[in-house]
Amino acid sequence: DTAVSQTPKYLVTQMGNDKSIKCEQNLGHDTMYWYKQDSKKFLKIMFSYNNKELIINETVPNRFSPKSPDKAHLNLHINSLELGDSAVYFCASSQATGAYEQYFGPGTRLTVT
Amino acid sequence: QKEVEQDPGPLSVPEGAIVSLNCTYSNSAFQYFMWYRQYSRKGPELLMYTYSSGNKEDGRFTAQVDKSSKYISLFIRDSQPSDSATYLCAMSGAIKAAGNKLTFGGGTRVLVKP
Repeated sequence: DTAVSQTPKYLVTQMGNDKSIKCEQNLGHDTMYWYKQDSKKFLKIMFSYNNKELIINETVPNRFSPKSPDKAHLNLHINSLELGDSAVYFCASSQATGAYEQYFGPGTRLTVT
Repeated sequence: QKEVEQDPGPLSVPEGAIVSLNCTYSNSAFQYFMWYRQYSRKGPELLMYTYSSGNKEDGRFTAQVDKSSKYISLFIRDSQPSDSATYLCAMSGAIKAAGNKLTFGGGTRVLVKP
């Protein structure tokens, strides 16, 4: 049983398109995160939701919009994709009071051409 | 300059050797120090975490934190080829009810040769 799952695993699209990535966790956690990992493996937080409420919003272009329909799901919608958006996007989850122990999904490899 | 610095490697060692990894940081507010392991094309997985300064041991893994020097280390004893992965250090300030975030280093790639 996958703890944190993401779809799709791979996404290849052209500049200017809009795309979404979905994340689901079955760990009963109340906090979920989106991270971006660039080609140099640097992992940087983008957003965090606690009980469907946005609590962390790092300096991310407003073309990126997260949405949490419930505690177990966190989606990421990206408008007007740019070449620089190419990266691996990871979803993670944790208990709010155990944020040091985050469980990561397998990642979505986004390539913008 | 990044808040957390980590040598990207690769660090190549023979099987059975001790692997020594480290990170330096600049933010004195960090209190939780984590090591994550990431296999190729997979998500990171938590190996160990340490609160404040000191040592922590878990099997073949030992984590050390020296807050006075803003320096953390991870040692892997009796390294195995299955330890070949990228190791990411991560840090966090005091855990709040919500709004916690981890700041990651760039990762060190480790290769353990049979």
